[in-house]
Amino acid sequence: DTGVSQDPRHKITKRGQNVTFRCDPISEHNRLYWYRQTLGQGPEFLTYFQNEAQLEKSRLLSDRFSAERPKGSFSTLEIQRTEQGDSAMYLCASSPRGGIADTQYFGPGTRLTVL
Amino acid sequence: AQKITQTQPGMFVQEKEAVTLDCTYDTSDQSYGLFWYKQPSSGEMIFLIYQGSYDEQNATEGRYSLNFQKARKSANLVISASQLGDSAMYFCAMRIDTGANSKLTFGKGITLSVRP
Repeated sequence: DTGVSQDPRHKITKRGQNVTFRCDPISEHNRLYWYRQTLGQGPEFLTYFQNEAQLEKSRLLSDRFSAERPKGSFSTLEIQRTEQGDSAMYLCASSPRGGIADTQYFGPGTRLTVL
Repeated sequence: AQKITQTQPGMFVQEKEAVTLDCTYDTSDQSYGLFWYKQPSSGEMIFLIYQGSYDEQNATEGRYSLNFQKARKSANLVISASQLGDSAMYFCAMRIDTGANSKLTFGKGITLSVRP
């Protein structure tokens, strides 16, 4: 059983550049989540999809951030005009169906460093 | 809004001993779920255990158990017979299911170090 995968694992970029991350959820999971984790903190929710529909976006997700999940399979998270404050670990998770007991399974994360 | 509080400083435990990691939460909702995740230095969040607010018994999963005290709004994780591989960050998280809202709210985490 393949878990959640994320690509790349590490990304170093210069301020002002655009970056894109990819997440492949566990197959047949219809919910997909993006979180951001900065040093010394727990993950913070960014956005989530049910199939291809983006159902909620956090206020943390500024206009420079966009996420997509075409065809309800993999998802991409793009950050435009990166800033040093965007440096963080970006975590993706998927779950089968939602609901209180529905467990979210996380990928290994993409660590972004903005110079 | 919901909130998770984890205030313990770095925790140390001797191998094979038990350890309790504290978590308190705040919510006005009656229906919610509580989760614990482990994050090794590699970065991946590993699900450990779940407790529903209406569950009458404390959850257990192998060496992990959750000491759920609803009136005190606490959900402490107990790890029995600690192993060296248990050294990691541990996060408590909560979900309130209000229609489309399905996000997890995490605490700041606790660092656990297991000594040989």
